Amino acid sequence: KAGVTQTPRYLIKTRGQQVTLSCSPISGHRSVSWYQQTPGQGLQFLFEYFSETQRNKGNFPGRFSGRQFSNSRSEMNVSTLELGDSALYLCASRKQGASDEQFFGPGTRLTVL
Amino acid sequence: EDQVTQSPEALRLQEGESSSLNCSYTVSGLRGLFWYRQDPGKGPEFLFTLYSAGEEKEKERLKATLTKKESFLHITAPKPEDSATYLCAVQAGNAGNMLTFGGGTRLMVKP
Repeated sequence: KAGVTQTPRYLIKTRGQQVTLSCSPISGHRSVSWYQQTPGQGLQFLFEYFSETQRNKGNFPGRFSGRQFSNSRSEMNVSTLELGDSALYLCASRKQGASDEQFFGPGTRLTVL
Repeated sequence: EDQVTQSPEALRLQEGESSSLNCSYTVSGLRGLFWYRQDPGKGPEFLFTLYSAGEEKEKERLKATLTKKESFLHITAPKPEDSATYLCAVQAGNAGNMLTFGGGTRLMVKP
């Protein structure tokens, strides 16, 4: 059974640019959550999508946005990149209605120069 | 506000030397407490979910326990391949699937 996949795995951007990251959940999983991981702040929740609707949002500025498609695949977008946006961005999927386990993808390593 | 604190931040063990990692939490209506393992450059790998005080779960050399204020991850006779960062997270009953993570414990097991 394939796990959560994220593309791209590595990305280098410059300040002011925007970036789009993609996440494909485990087949049959309809809930997708995004997290940012940095050495200083650890893992922080960005937002959660279920059935194409944002259900929950963390304390991040409006430059961070996301969406989910009808096939449960999700994208997150960061506009006007700042140096502090450099992080590992992780996606997690869950099979709603089953157990509470969330399964994480390998992450996208974003470096902002 | 939900909070999770893990201790110690780092732990060095000799192979075979058993120990415990601590996760203290405050949450409004605990729905579940999760333990994950994370290797460098990889995403967290699910280990356990605990739901109520007194619950225990085991997997190989790992055993997780839960009280009303904290959880412990006991590692029995660790091997070098157990070296990783162990993350604890809580899910509140009114927060959808949002997880609040602790800072993690970096475990190093020397042969």
